[in-house]
Amino acid sequence: AQSVTQPDIHITVSEGASLELRCNYSYGATPYLFWYVQSPGQGLQLLLKYFSGDTLVQGIKGFEAEFKRSQSSFNLRKPSVHWSDAAEYFCAVGRANNLFFGTGTRLTVIP
Amino acid sequence: GAGVSQSPSNKVTEKGKDVELRCDPISGHTALYWYRQSLGQGLEFLIYFQGNSAPDKSGLPSDRFSAERTGGSVSTLTIQRTQQEDSAVYLCASSFAGTTGLLSTDTQYFGPGTRLTVL
Repeated sequence: AQSVTQPDIHITVSEGASLELRCNYSYGATPYLFWYVQSPGQGLQLLLKYFSGDTLVQGIKGFEAEFKRSQSSFNLRKPSVHWSDAAEYFCAVGRANNLFFGTGTRLTVIP
Repeated sequence: GAGVSQSPSNKVTEKGKDVELRCDPISGHTALYWYRQSLGQGLEFLIYFQGNSAPDKSGLPSDRFSAERTGGSVSTLTIQRTQQEDSAVYLCASSFAGTTGLLSTDTQYFGPGTRLTVL
């Protein structure tokens, strides 16, 4: 069975600091991996996705993620966080006709 | 163009009542998904539709839940005899099935959700 784990429920960072959100997956084959962001009162928005090829994926809003097969991880990073990045972040694994989501990490940005 | 829209945005109902939630996908998108997001939980897959194929209902939690998609466009999620544990945000997403044929590789575009509260 496939599963996605986001070990950090809540992270607080200072504006301008770097950010890394962790995601681990359990899946037998090559996974399709996604990061979505959910801002307050808004729907989920795709940040980036990985299917194959270069393991470092660039996304929107200055985010990037790195696929590490040996660690079964797909961590999301941003070098300098902005106050507008405060939101809930979801990692997801795609398989067949479905997406399996982690429980999310809530990001708080302090001035 | 217009994104995925859902109505109502909020719904408060009494236990035992039936509710209908509506989703208007992006025009031209062949796939439509319903998810449930409960407090403190991730998104839980409920059901998906792809073109004229039989829907994948494997995520529906009980037979009180059903969904239909008319004319390959608008979808309605119906919850009969609602229970308090049905309280959640119900999210709809749509995608255009790409050339890979694997819907999970296609970007899903999400609506803003319907917040259901069962008293």
